[in-house]
Amino acid sequence: AQSVTQLGSHVSVSEGALVLLRCNYSSSVPPYLFWYVQYPNQGLQLLLKYTSAATLVKGINGFEAEFKKSETSFHLTKPSAHMSDAAEYFCAVTPSGSARQLTFGSGTQLTVLP
Amino acid sequence: DGGITQSPKYLFRKEGQNVTLSCEQNLNHDAMYWYRQDPGQGLRLIYYSQIVNDFQKGDIAEGYSVSREKKESFPLTVTSAQKNPTAFYLCASSLDRDHNEKLFFGSGTQLSVL
Repeated sequence: AQSVTQLGSHVSVSEGALVLLRCNYSSSVPPYLFWYVQYPNQGLQLLLKYTSAATLVKGINGFEAEFKKSETSFHLTKPSAHMSDAAEYFCAVTPSGSARQLTFGSGTQLTVLP
Repeated sequence: DGGITQSPKYLFRKEGQNVTLSCEQNLNHDAMYWYRQDPGQGLRLIYYSQIVNDFQKGDIAEGYSVSREKKESFPLTVTSAQKNPTAFYLCASSLDRDHNEKLFFGSGTQLSVL
């Protein structure tokens, strides 16, 4: 069985500051990891995914995440926050790459302060 | 434009009533999914379908039913047996069900109990 823990249900940053959203996972096999973003009253959109190629993954809107096996982490970062980044972010893991086995974290609400 | 359409956006259910949420996709995807989202929680899989006329229970199928008579459509019925139906419901689809799947989401339906 796999699980995902997102530390911090709410994160606030100032516009232009570094964004760091934390995700730790557990998986009995090499995992496939994803970050999704959800804007208010909308569905989720894929930001980026790790599929065992490069450990540093670049996504859309300037986000990136680094897979660290020793720390079982897949934290999401962005060097400079923009007001439009305010949303809820979900980390997800699947052991096989199959969507039907995806486990989502509980989400982190990002607030960007002017 | 290709995508997933969910309707209605808001739905109200009376006690003892069954209600049906619509999900249509024009992406030509084989796999479709229904998720339930509660505040402060991640997404939980209700049902999924990998092919027409076939569907499988997810983690929280009790009180729900689905059908998949057409590739494009995957309606979800919330039955009177579901005692706590108030939630945000998301439909999703994917092209390749087994490999590094990217999920495409609809905009969701908010279901509330009167």
